[in-house]
Amino acid sequence: GDSVTQMEGPVTLSEEAFLTINCTYTATGYPSLFWYVQYPGEGLQLLLKATKADDKGSNKGFEATYRKETTSFHLEKGSVQVSDSAVYFCALLYGNNRLAFGKGNQVVVIP
Amino acid sequence: NAGVTQTPKFQVLKTGQSMTLQCAQDMNHEYMSWYRQDPGMGLRLIHYSVGAGITDQGEVPNGYNVSRSTTEDFPLRLLSAAPSQTSVYFCASSYRGTYYGYTFGSGTRLTVV
Repeated sequence: GDSVTQMEGPVTLSEEAFLTINCTYTATGYPSLFWYVQYPGEGLQLLLKATKADDKGSNKGFEATYRKETTSFHLEKGSVQVSDSAVYFCALLYGNNRLAFGKGNQVVVIP
Repeated sequence: NAGVTQTPKFQVLKTGQSMTLQCAQDMNHEYMSWYRQDPGMGLRLIHYSVGAGITDQGEVPNGYNVSRSTTEDFPLRLLSAAPSQTSVYFCASSYRGTYYGYTFGSGTRLTVV
C-alpha cells in the first residue's frame, strides 16, 4: 500500500546550520505530499505541501520539492534556529483523503 | 477560535474501563480522522469518516469504536481499555480534496494502568 519512509534517527545540529530531512514515498499515482511539524506538547501543524510533481512547497524558510523521478519530498532549511527544534513528519494523501505518515524525525538545534 | 477541539487533554484509566474521547471541529470539514501516536511508530490511523453517518476502519481499529452523527463531532470510544492503548490520540479534520491538509487537535494523552 501507499507509504512514506523517513530517514532514521534524530537530527542534532547547530544554530544557522543547513537542515535536510529525507522523505521517500511509495504510491500508486501521484499523491499530494505534506510536511507536518510537532512542537513539544502540541499537536501537528501543517508546515508545507505539494500536490503535483515538480511543485515546491515552502513556509517559514522551509522548502520541499515533489520529485516523481526519485519519489522523494525532502525537507530543507538553509539556516535553522533554536525555535525550529521539533519533530517533523512527512505524509502522503491516499484513498478517501487518508494520510499516511512517516515515523518522524526529532530535530534538535543547539545554540 | 476555529479549529479542532479535543477533550480531555489527559486521562488515566484502569484496565477494562471504557471511555469516550471527544472531538469537535467548527470549520465544516467533511473528513475527520483519529490517529494514535506511539514512540518510534509515527501516527497510525484508527478510524476515519468522509461525512456524517459514514465511518470506516483505518490501520489499527481493534478496541475502538466511532460514530459521526453530525458534521462537527467525531467521538472515539474505547470499549474495554487495555495497557496497549496507552498512547497520545489526535483527531484531525479536512475539506474534501487533495489540495487541503488536515487540521489537528492538540491531543489526548491516555494512560491505561
